[in-house]
Amino acid sequence: DAKTTQPNSMESNEEEPVHLPCNHSTISGTDYIHWYRQLPSQGPEYVIHGLTSNVNNRMASLAIAEDRKSSTLILHRATLRDAAVYYCILSQGGSEKLVFGKGTKLTVNP
Amino acid sequence: GAVVSQHPSWVICKSGTSVKIECRSLDFQATTMFWYRQFPKQSLMLMATSNEGSKATYEQGVEKDKFLINHASLTLSTLTVTSAHPEDSSFYICSARDYRVSGEKLFFGSGTQLSVL
Repeated sequence: DAKTTQPNSMESNEEEPVHLPCNHSTISGTDYIHWYRQLPSQGPEYVIHGLTSNVNNRMASLAIAEDRKSSTLILHRATLRDAAVYYCILSQGGSEKLVFGKGTKLTVNP
Repeated sequence: GAVVSQHPSWVICKSGTSVKIECRSLDFQATTMFWYRQFPKQSLMLMATSNEGSKATYEQGVEKDKFLINHASLTLSTLTVTSAHPEDSSFYICSARDYRVSGEKLFFGSGTQLSVL
């Protein structure tokens, strides 16, 4: 599985946008970019995923670099409930498994 | 969205006993289920992939005779930790996918905290 690199931690203020970066320089042409988040003592939750084009949904936006070697998860207005560990994961289309890295722990300050 | 139910939420057992954890997809048929475990302040570690009606595929280093996985139906998978020892204490999480319906999305249970005394 291709590797991703994320900062260990980030901080944000409530109601401000948050940009969570992810580097994946060894990404292959068929790798999807997935983002999941995990709140304390809970299972992970799907956030968003994409292949080449930028993606938007009700939770977040995913901006993918043109060379696909990096991506950014954008939370448009952080809330206290967005405090979680965010995982950026690569997986080949139709692949059976997702392998989690260490993720970024996001702290949201009131 | 799709719901994955995992039971029990937490369990305490004596060393040497076996513990069964259930994972159910409530509103979709899970063609594939995955089992992870997570130690405190660490990331999730994939243990095995389970396809309905076939034997589970275990990740390297995971003992298949210790962690028995059964995926008897399209909505139920179970993980049995046999002869549990304190080092098996961990947070176990299941996940499920129906690729035909939800594509790449993976849905997770709420996890089971296992404490072995």
